[in-house]
Amino acid sequence: GAVVSQHPSRVICKSGTSVKIECRSLDFQATTMFWYRQFPKQSLMLMATSNEGSKATYEQGVEKDKFLINHASLTLSTLTVTSAHPEDSSFYICSAKGGVAQHFGDGTRLSIL
Amino acid sequence: GQQVMQIPQYQHVQEGEDFTTYCNSSTTLSNIQWYKQRPGGHPVFLIQLVKSGEVKKQKRLTFQFGEAKKNSSLHITATQTTDVGTYFCAGLRYGQNFVFGPGTRLSVLP
Repeated sequence: GAVVSQHPSRVICKSGTSVKIECRSLDFQATTMFWYRQFPKQSLMLMATSNEGSKATYEQGVEKDKFLINHASLTLSTLTVTSAHPEDSSFYICSAKGGVAQHFGDGTRLSIL
Repeated sequence: GQQVMQIPQYQHVQEGEDFTTYCNSSTTLSNIQWYKQRPGGHPVFLIQLVKSGEVKKQKRLTFQFGEAKKNSSLHITATQTTDVGTYFCAGLRYGQNFVFGPGTRLSVLP
């Protein structure tokens, strides 16, 4: 149980493109989901907390107009990287809170050319 | 802000040797969690510690939460190649979100 599906797993696109990443909890409901960014061989940096039915809470230094988060249902949160640039290239990973644990998706490798 | 540190950053061991990673927080924690991330995979929840001085075991893994609730450790007895990965601690401060430590990358040589 407690499976989180993240899609797509990899995106390569041109600078200026907007990219949407989906995070779904498949077998449980999650009122809270988290979006992280992970740099190579480094830890998870929390970007924002996504709450179902309300606005996301962004961590300091994360541009909310750049990284749009929508949590329209108890099983789906989306992260849209707007007008992506090469510096946005990274590994983005979501998690859904189920009980005490965070259950992570497989991540999205975003490469902006 | 709250900082969570882990040492060592890397650890290479021979299969069968023991391994320990330490997690330290700059502030008192409500609880702490441990996750394992295999190479190319996503973090997987291992355990949560809540009580001061708590010790929990999972087969060859022993987790401890310090008396002051500011530090924790994960000890693996007789490592196996399947233990390879990065071990993260995540500290929860009262009323705030979890903060992940930088992780300890474990390599196990057969």
